[in-house]
Amino acid sequence: GDSVTQMEGPVTLSEEAFLTINCTYTATGYPSLFWYVQYPGEGLQLLLKATKADDKGSNKGFEATYRKETTSFHLEKGSVQVSDSAVYFCALRSGSNYQLIWGAGTKLIIKP
Amino acid sequence: GAGVSQSPRYKVAKRGQDVALRCDPISGHVSLFWYQQALGQGPEFLTYFQNEAQLDKSGLPSDRFFAERPEGSVSTLKIQRTQQEDSAVYLCASSLSTGQGNGYTFGSGTRLTVV
Repeated sequence: GDSVTQMEGPVTLSEEAFLTINCTYTATGYPSLFWYVQYPGEGLQLLLKATKADDKGSNKGFEATYRKETTSFHLEKGSVQVSDSAVYFCALRSGSNYQLIWGAGTKLIIKP
Repeated sequence: GAGVSQSPRYKVAKRGQDVALRCDPISGHVSLFWYQQALGQGPEFLTYFQNEAQLDKSGLPSDRFFAERPEGSVSTLKIQRTQQEDSAVYLCASSLSTGQGNGYTFGSGTRLTVV
């Protein structure tokens, strides 16, 4: 079945560092890919998405490129801030399947 | 409304008590989902509605859990005879349609603590 694998956390970085959170997937066909963010005590927010190969999703300085050849959708940001501290979830939605398939989440901690 | 609204935000229940959690999705959103999220974990699917029809309830952990969406808008998740293992954040999400490019919009969740 479809699945999503994320790098384990926590990931701890200093402010202004470069961020990469790896996400790879297994799916039949051509899924849509998503990154969600969950700030402490809050619900999940859609951060960005890509619906076809080579698409780049971007939002709030974050970006991720849908790479079909490597089945990856890595999240990147050039210069992180303390306010980016949160848990980040990679997810996919495939074909007519209404369910999102979730990764386990990666906790990001940014130190000043 | 502009977003998905859930109430109450926090609920403390004594073991054995029944609880009802409300979700008000974005107007016009056909799809509605309930998830359970334990501390430090990802969301776990509970049930799915398309309009008023409950198309999938395979994630409901026991027959103490019941969900409804009678008019295809507001949904209620009911938990009967709550137990300590029911303590979690219950998230509601809605989506405009079942098209795979549509992400979900989540509410802020209801944090249920069973004591």
